[in-house]
Amino acid sequence: DAKTTQPNSMESNEEEPVHLPCNHSTISGTDYIHWYRQLPSQGPEYVIHGLTSNVNNRMASLAIAEDRKSSTLILHRATLRDAAVYYCIPPADSSYKLIFGSGTRLLVRP
Amino acid sequence: DTGVSQDPRHKITKRGQNVTFRCDPISEHNRLYWYRQTLGQGPEFLTYFQNEAQLEKSRLLSDRFSAERPKGSFSTLEIQRTEQGDSAMYLCASSFPGQAYEQYFGPGTRLTVT
Repeated sequence: DAKTTQPNSMESNEEEPVHLPCNHSTISGTDYIHWYRQLPSQGPEYVIHGLTSNVNNRMASLAIAEDRKSSTLILHRATLRDAAVYYCIPPADSSYKLIFGSGTRLLVRP
Repeated sequence: DTGVSQDPRHKITKRGQNVTFRCDPISEHNRLYWYRQTLGQGPEFLTYFQNEAQLEKSRLLSDRFSAERPKGSFSTLEIQRTEQGDSAMYLCASSFPGQAYEQYFGPGTRLTVT
């Protein structure tokens, strides 16, 4: 099974960009990488997913390395509301069950 | 509010009692997932349904746990003879057909077993 590695925590200043890294060196060529986040006292929420090329949506951007062994979630301008635990989730089987690790706890300083 | 709802939000029970939680997914969603989250950890998969069929159960789901989704709509998760180790947040999520990678989570039910 593919596994992911993320830093335990990161800090950012409000309104500055944040780059959250994830290593997934065992991922296969057809596996998507998904990112979720969990705000305090809430259930997780979907952020973004991608396969090869960079992806953008209203919440974030996902930059995937050319060798696909790593990816970076980019928050272009962090806000206090972005303080959360961010999970880089390896590909699932046909069940699409989500395998959460410990994630990266993002602290945003005002 | 058309999101995933869970009831109750909090439950305190004594060891040995049975508890039942309910999850109401978004109405068009055919897949429904249950996860459990303990303090400081990421959620762990418990089981999932496609429509009314329960297709997979985690090894975490001991025989004291049972889940149902009788008409492919709401789901219940029952824990019999609760133990202190069952104390956790129980999360429900659902997804659209063909978009199972994008799961919508409810607020969770926090269970405390005393």
